[in-house]
Order: sequence, then structure tokens, then C-alpha cells
Amino acid sequence: AQSVTQLGSHVSVSEGALVLLRCNYSSSVPPYLFWYVQYPNQGLQLLLKYTSAATLVKGINGFEAEFKKSETSFHLTKPSAHMSDAAEYFCAVSSDGSGNTGKLIFGQGTTLQVKP
Amino acid sequence: DAGVTQSPTHLIKTRGQHVTLRCSPISGHKSVSWYQQVLGQGPQFIFQYYEKEERGRGNFPDRFSARQFPNYSSELNVNALLLGDSALYLCASSPWNNEQFFGPGTRLTVL
Repeated sequence: AQSVTQLGSHVSVSEGALVLLRCNYSSSVPPYLFWYVQYPNQGLQLLLKYTSAATLVKGINGFEAEFKKSETSFHLTKPSAHMSDAAEYFCAVSSDGSGNTGKLIFGQGTTLQVKP
Repeated sequence: DAGVTQSPTHLIKTRGQHVTLRCSPISGHKSVSWYQQVLGQGPQFIFQYYEKEERGRGNFPDRFSARQFPNYSSELNVNALLLGDSALYLCASSPWNNEQFFGPGTRLTVL
């Protein structure tokens, strides 16, 4: 069975500092991996995805993530935090190896706080 | 292009009642998935429908059911509501093998 663990339910950084949100996954088949962002009282917006192509994935708003099979990790980074990055971030894995991405397993989420 | 739309935005029900939530996918998307997001947690998968057939079901009781219509819109039904059903219900649409696009959700409160 697939699962996702996000290390750290709350991360606080200063504006301009590096953002690092950690995600480890467990999957018995080659995974598809996703990072989503959720602003208060809104749905989820896709930041980036890994679907077995390049291991370094670039997304929107300056975010990127690196797929490391040996470490079963897919950590999200951004070189310089902006105040507008404050939100809830979710890592997710697709739940089967068929290419179907309609059944996602989500982590518990990490709240990113950006201090001025 | 319009995104995924959900109705209603908010809903208040009492225990034991029934509720129907609706979702319209992005044009051309044939897959619709439903998720439950309890406050402070990540979304949990409830159902996936593709081409009007159920393609997956999460660990939810039989009180939860869904269907997909010929125009690919979908309904989620919950019977005999419990306090624990209070949550944000998210609908997402996608082609079969690409990322899901989420709607804004329906906030259900059960009193």
C-alpha cells in the first residue's frame, strides 16, 4: 500500500530564506508524486508533479522538488520565501501503478509560516 | 476555461439527515474523484468515477455513495449523517493519467 509522511506539521521561515518541506513516500510500484498548496478556505492547487521523467521537477511560483528513489523522498524547496507563500502544503502519491492519477494518497500537510 | 465547480459552497445539516453534493468537471475531463478533508488533516480519497463507472473506493462506510452522469458531472451522497462527517468535501477532475484539478470544495457542517 502507498503512504506519504510529511515531516513537520509546521515550518516557519523568514522572508527571503530557503523553504524546505519534507515528504517521504512508500510505494510498491513506481510512484507518481505531487505537491499541492492550499490557501485558507480554498481548494488545492498543483505546484508540481513527478511522473517518472526528470528527477528534478520545477513547478510554479519558484518551487521545485527532487525525486530520490534511494531515500524514498520528494522534498519541496524554494530558494527565497515570500509572504504570499504562507499556506498549507500537501504531498501526495498516486495509489496504483497504472498511470491513473485519480486516487491520491495525501500526507497530513505542512503549514508554512513566513515571517517578515 | 472554467475550472471544477462544486455546489453548494456551504451546507448545514443535522445528524441523521441526507446530503447531496454536486461537482462539474473541467470540460473534456472524464475522471472525477471525491475527497474528504477533516479540519487539520490531509484529504482522504472517497471515490473515483471514470466514464460513469466506479474505478475506486476509499475506506468509507456504505453511507457514502456517488455516481457520474453522461455529461461527466458527479454527485456525492451521504446518508444518516454523523457529527464526524463534518468536513470540506473536495471534487477533482482529470484525464485518466494526468494531474487532478480541484474545485473549491463544499463545507459541510453536521449539528
